[in-house]
Amino acid sequence: GENVEQHPSTLSVQEGDSAVIKCTYSDSASNYFPWYKQELGKGPQLIIDIRSNVGEKKDQRIAVTLNKTAKHFSLHITETQPEDSAVYFCAASMEAAGNKLTFGGGTRVLVKP
Amino acid sequence: EPEVTQTPSHQVTQMGQEVILRCVPISNHLYFYWYRQILGQKVEFLVSFYNNEISEKSEIFDDQFSVERPDGSNFTLKIRSTKLEDSAMYFCASSDPYEAFFGQGTRLTVV
Repeated sequence: GENVEQHPSTLSVQEGDSAVIKCTYSDSASNYFPWYKQELGKGPQLIIDIRSNVGEKKDQRIAVTLNKTAKHFSLHITETQPEDSAVYFCAASMEAAGNKLTFGGGTRVLVKP
Repeated sequence: EPEVTQTPSHQVTQMGQEVILRCVPISNHLYFYWYRQILGQKVEFLVSFYNNEISEKSEIFDDQFSVERPDGSNFTLKIRSTKLEDSAMYFCASSDPYEAFFGQGTRLTVV
């Protein structure tokens, strides 16, 4: 089955700097890659996703890149703010209706003011 | 904004007891899921549910687990005889059909 590895496990950045989180996946059939943000006491919140027919997607300060050949994808947060502090999870799935997600281990991001 | 809601937020139970975790998915979603996260480990898929039946389940989802949609709004996970290793955060999610939205989770503690 699919296996997703995520690095780093913790990331501390200065406010205003960029943060990059990287994930690799094992199943070449995976074609849908969402990213979730989890704040303390809350469930994972979908923040951005990318499908395998594109290499990059951007939404304001957040961008995701995908390299299908190398089977890795990354989350980029620019101009980080204290409210970006959270745990971020990458996931992979075969995009079919109702298909399960396989998650990475999570990255705890701390943005220092 | 529509959201997935889970109750209770925290459940403490004695080993061997039955627990039912409840979820109200987003109203127009058709696909429902349970995931769990043991402390310090990855979020793991348990089961997916569509059209009133299980569409996929993981090897974790053994005979001790069951899911049900008893009415038009609730989606439940039952653990028949809890074990210490069932202690985890349980997340319900729903999708229509691709983007999955998660509830805030139920922390289950088995003592």
